[in-house]
Amino acid sequence: KAGVTQTPRYLIKTRGQQVTLSCSPISGHRSVSWYQQTPGQGLQFLFEYFSETQRNKGNFPGRFSGRQFSNSRSEMNVSTLELGDSALYLCASSLDYSATNGYTFGSGTRLTVV
Amino acid sequence: GNSVTQMEGPVTLSEEAFLTINCTYTATGYPSLFWYVQYPGEGLQLLLKATKADDKGSNKGFEATYRKETTSFHLEKGSVQVSDSAVYFCALSGPSGNTPLVFGKGTRLSVIA
Repeated sequence: KAGVTQTPRYLIKTRGQQVTLSCSPISGHRSVSWYQQTPGQGLQFLFEYFSETQRNKGNFPGRFSGRQFSNSRSEMNVSTLELGDSALYLCASSLDYSATNGYTFGSGTRLTVV
Repeated sequence: GNSVTQMEGPVTLSEEAFLTINCTYTATGYPSLFWYVQYPGEGLQLLLKATKADDKGSNKGFEATYRKETTSFHLEKGSVQVSDSAVYFCALSGPSGNTPLVFGKGTRLSVIA
């Protein structure tokens, strides 16, 4: 059974550019959550999607956005990149919107902003 | 709001030593509690979980007991191996399961032979 697939694995972008990250959940999983991981702040919640609807949103500026498609694949977009956006972006999928059964995480996309 | 506090690392142990990583939480009601592990270059993997007070989660020799009275979920293992070297995260989800996972800052464990 394929796991959660995130693409690309690595990205280098310049300040001011925008970037789109992709996440394909485990087959049958309808919920996708995104987290930003940095050494200083740890894991911070970005947003959660279930059946193409955003259910929860973390405390990030509007430059961070996301969406989910009918096949449950999800993308997140960061516009006007800043140096502080350099991080590992992790996607997690679950069967439904309840976190009680735990999430399955992808290996992440490492974004470096220069 | 919900929060998780876990002991700062790094923790360095010799092989076969006893491991404890402390985790305490703040939440309303009865959250679900989790331990995740992250190996180098990988995403997080669910290690164990407990969904109600006094439940014990266990997996791969690791254990943690949901203690409502002390709002704690400490991770323990009787005899660590070099392959247990990783970063360990304590996490919680709100009582209804409708809130996203909130993570602690993580504890890096290094086990030396």
